[in-house]
Amino acid sequence: QVQLQESGPGLVKPSETVSLTCTVSGDSVSSDSYYYSWIRQPPGKGLEWIGNVYSSGSANYNPSLKSRVTISVDSAQNTFSLKLTSVTAADTALYYCARGLIKFQSTQHFDFWGQGTLVTVSS
Amino acid sequence: EIVLTQSPATLSVSLGERATLSCRASQSVGSNLAWYQQKPGQAPRLLIYAASTRATGIPARFSGSGSGTEFTLTISSLQSEDFAVYFCQQYYNWPQTFGQGTKVDVK
Repeated sequence: QVQLQESGPGLVKPSETVSLTCTVSGDSVSSDSYYYSWIRQPPGKGLEWIGNVYSSGSANYNPSLKSRVTISVDSAQNTFSLKLTSVTAADTALYYCARGLIKFQSTQHFDFWGQGTLVTVSS
Repeated sequence: EIVLTQSPATLSVSLGERATLSCRASQSVGSNLAWYQQKPGQAPRLLIYAASTRATGIPARFSGSGSGTEFTLTISSLQSEDFAVYFCQQYYNWPQTFGQGTKVDVK
């Protein structure tokens, strides 16, 4: 069974950088059949896709966050990571990592998610 | 970007009753739509993909239908474990987007 687990600091100060890691078990992040994503949910709001990373290391990002986001993959550790710079209170959210299916070279639905990790931006 | 609008925001249902949830897309997404179940403190769970295909291990009481811009998730006979938030996702167009969710609670 595939499992994903987010980890990172729960509290970050405004203007700082938050770094989160997603540890994948039961599968390899080096597989070409899947992509890996970060998704967030501010309190009381809907889900927002942050970005994807592929086994090759290439990534794409939500245009609204692109200037502040970096997503990378570490095949040796079987993890992928999110770095979000210059955070503000608006970045306070539950951050999820998820695995998505690649079919016919296009990204499909997410088949497994982590439980999420709450990041609070506050001084 | 494609906007997904879910309705109603909250659906109050009795045990054993049918629940019908709607997801409307601002433009056609074909059949490239998934439904997920979200419970507090748990990982979201994939229920339906390709608009109508049940994911592995999902009970038959969950069904999805629709194409283009109108989609429906139906829970034929609500069980206690089904009280949760349900959200839809389109993966037809980049960036992929999500609906705001429908909370199914006890009537």
